[in-house]
Amino acid sequence: DVVMTQSPLSLPVTPGQPASISCRSSQSLVHSDGSTYLNWFHQRPGQSPRRLIYQVSNRDSGVPDRFSGSGSGTDFTLKISRVEAEDVGVYYCMQGTHWPWTFGQGTKVEIK
Amino acid sequence: EVRLVESGGGLVQPGGSLRLSCAASGFTFSSYYMSWVRQAPGKGLEWVANIDPSGSAKYYVDSVKGRLIISRDNSKDSLYLQMNSLSAEDTAVYYCARENGHSAEDWGRGTLVTVSS
Repeated sequence: DVVMTQSPLSLPVTPGQPASISCRSSQSLVHSDGSTYLNWFHQRPGQSPRRLIYQVSNRDSGVPDRFSGSGSGTDFTLKISRVEAEDVGVYYCMQGTHWPWTFGQGTKVEIK
Repeated sequence: EVRLVESGGGLVQPGGSLRLSCAASGFTFSSYYMSWVRQAPGKGLEWVANIDPSGSAKYYVDSVKGRLIISRDNSKDSLYLQMNSLSAEDTAVYYCARENGHSAEDWGRGTLVTVSS
């Protein structure tokens, strides 16, 4: 199975400041169809996960533009340009290229 | 608006069985891959199984093969997960998810399965 490794696992942030989460896969996430199926999800306490980013850098509908995704191959990054209080929770990267699809361990973002 | 509502969770003894259901609305159910994803208490997310729109192709993570069976009824806009030979390791919130682009675009609220004597 493809192992997804996130860092850091805990990220204290100051409102208004930027934040960045790294995600590395144990093998390339380029699919045979040419697409790279790397996604980012956000889960607030007591809620279901919500997808933020799909195929590396595409924001889902309603996702603020302060969220951006980048990367290629095996190295990917989620950036928040200016953290807001509502951004707290756990962020997961997830690959949909190789079955079984797998998630990273999660990065817990909390306000300082 | 896409709506996914899971049901059927509860307390079950080790070795027992349970059947989860997911009622879908707000989209053309028969056109989408669907999945079950689980989350053990205080832990991360694990993709359990998915099924193609027709119900003919099914994929499972190794840890549940032979014990959990995904199915769907497109006439009822419903997804199911038959869970057999359950163990404590299967204790989790089980989410129903609508797939789009090799990913889960929409999620239900989940249903809790607790395996304990």
